Amino acid sequence: QKEVEQNSGPLSVPEGAIASLNCTYSDRGSQSFFWYRQYSGKSPELIMFIYSNGDKEDGRFTAQLNKASQYVSLLIRDSQPSDSATYLCAVNPFNDYKLSFGAGTTVTVRA
Amino acid sequence: DAGVTQSPTHLIKTRGQQVTLRCSPKSGHDTVSWYQQALGQGPQFIFQYYEEEERQRGNFPDRFSGHQFPNYSSELNVNALLLGDSALYLCASSFIGGLESEKLFFGSGTQLSVL
Repeated sequence: QKEVEQNSGPLSVPEGAIASLNCTYSDRGSQSFFWYRQYSGKSPELIMFIYSNGDKEDGRFTAQLNKASQYVSLLIRDSQPSDSATYLCAVNPFNDYKLSFGAGTTVTVRA
Repeated sequence: DAGVTQSPTHLIKTRGQQVTLRCSPKSGHDTVSWYQQALGQGPQFIFQYYEEEERQRGNFPDRFSGHQFPNYSSELNVNALLLGDSALYLCASSFIGGLESEKLFFGSGTQLSVL
């Protein structure tokens, strides 16, 4: 079982719609959860982080965490063409210094 | 405020050769982690350096080695290159003493091609 799993996509949404990305993780003791955005040919950029169960909103982005279900999600509201990228879910396993990354979900926003 | 800088940006090597990649962390950061990202995959953890020591290592062979210098900069060395080592190598820095020490800031990466 992979440590972090994401729907590989691609996910295509029309401009202005909500993009919903999902991520599950295997280490029940994980405490920190991150979403990185990676444009093609570029390096990952941190866009959201969440530590507690529930929702966390930052502008058009909302991260949702459910530790009981070992599930993290990212919602992108009012999607823009500039949101077209690969979104990486990352988890800090318990008692570990590294981040474990999923393979990423590629999002394409259609104008 | 300079972010994480990596050099070189691109590198072409042949099988069996050795390569050294360099990284300077973001100002104020003291911890450097290296990741390998193959095409279409997420970054895979190679190792992390703190206080000039390898603090944790991922599932990579001994051909991969590193070093951290007193100024917190770091090098990644790969010996006896294989075709499968072709990937984007990412350096990430963080500040271990912060409340959010798990937050990583990535450099632009070094694209290594092994022929």
